[in-house]
Amino acid sequence: DVVMTQSPLSLPVTLGQPASISCRSTQSLVYSDGNTYLNWFHQRPGQSPRRLIYKVSHRDSGVPDRFSGSGSDTDFTLKISRVEAEDVGVYYCMQGRHWPYTFGQGTKLEIK
Amino acid sequence: EVQLVESGGALVQPGGSLRLSCAASGFTFSSYWMTWVRQAPGKGLEWVANIKEDGSESFYVDSVKGRLTIVRDNGENSLYLQMNSLRVEDTAVYYCARDPGAGNWGAFDIWGQGTMVTVSS
Repeated sequence: DVVMTQSPLSLPVTLGQPASISCRSTQSLVYSDGNTYLNWFHQRPGQSPRRLIYKVSHRDSGVPDRFSGSGSDTDFTLKISRVEAEDVGVYYCMQGRHWPYTFGQGTKLEIK
Repeated sequence: EVQLVESGGALVQPGGSLRLSCAASGFTFSSYWMTWVRQAPGKGLEWVANIKEDGSESFYVDSVKGRLTIVRDNGENSLYLQMNSLRVEDTAVYYCARDPGAGNWGAFDIWGQGTMVTVSS
């Protein structure tokens, strides 16, 4: 199975400061159709997960432009340019290239 | 409104069975792959199973193969998870989600609110 490794697992951030989460996979996430199937989800406390970014860098409608995704092959990053209070919660990367789909362990973002 | 609503979660003894349901509305259910994802108490997300638009193909995480079965009824716009031989480690909130499928694999864009399954004696 493809292992997804996120770092850090805990991310205390001051309001208005940037934040960055790394996600690495043990196999390439590039498919024969040319797409790279790496997605990011956000889960606020007590809520269902919500998709933030799909195919590495495509931001969902309604997701603030302070969120951005980048990377390629096996190495990916989610960046928040200026953290706001509503950004708290756990962030997960997930690969859809290989069966079984696999999630990263999650990165818990909290406000300092 | 595009919506997924799960039901059927309960307390069940080890070795028991349960069937979870997920009612879809607001979109053409038969045009999408569907998925079950679970989250054990205080833990991260774990993908459980996927089923193709017409129900002809399904995939599972190894830990549930032979015990959990994903099924769909496109006439009823419903997704199910038949859970047999339940184990303590199956205790989790179970979410159904929509998978856009080809061209956007694993990009679960719609999630339900979840239903809690507790396996305990």
